[in-house]
Amino acid sequence: GQQLNQSPQSMFIQEGEDVSMNCTSSSIFNTWLWYKQEPGEGPVLLIALYKAGELTSNGRLTAQFGITRKDSFLNISASIPSDVGIYFCAGREIGANNLFFGTGTRLTVIP
Amino acid sequence: DVKVTQSSRYLVKRTGEKVFLECVQDMDHENMFWYRQDPGLGLRLIYFSYDVKMKEKGDIPEGYSVSREKKERFSLILESASTNQTSMYLCASSFIQNEKLFFGSGTQLSVL
Repeated sequence: GQQLNQSPQSMFIQEGEDVSMNCTSSSIFNTWLWYKQEPGEGPVLLIALYKAGELTSNGRLTAQFGITRKDSFLNISASIPSDVGIYFCAGREIGANNLFFGTGTRLTVIP
Repeated sequence: DVKVTQSSRYLVKRTGEKVFLECVQDMDHENMFWYRQDPGLGLRLIYFSYDVKMKEKGDIPEGYSVSREKKERFSLILESASTNQTSMYLCASSFIQNEKLFFGSGTQLSVL
């Protein structure tokens, strides 16, 4: 199955800094989802996107569905220690049933 | 809130053993999924089910089977566990096919 390219693989940032990560695919997607996984837990849905160009916020998190429909971006503003975890993108190709997941971005926030 | 419950957080099994991983969801979702998570590889789909007694292979079904006898329960079976099946296993369910998956807390399986 397709694997999404997610970058960066890991990030170490100071508390208060902004964070950006992205996900790209080789084919056109009609759905992008962003999940966060905390240690010892399963992934939890943060944001869902369904239209090219769509920009959606959830508190300090903002995600965008890329105009080419082959990418998506997640930004976290003013990071705090509880933002620590692994962030996964997931997407679905047009005409496909299954979601594909990115390899994850491991975020560490230094107080 | 949707609750997806996996029966074990940690399991240690020996090579060749038959292993059952159980998953139960309480929101009457039609769709259920089993993924495995490995460092650097993200989440990979093993099997999924869109209805009772229905199953479909995902991307990496080899060495696994599943059972969905009741709508709320989806079991993953390792017929003869091998060391390369040591992994974190995640169960998920959804109301609409492949959108907004809700995940369980995972089962960390070690095969020795």
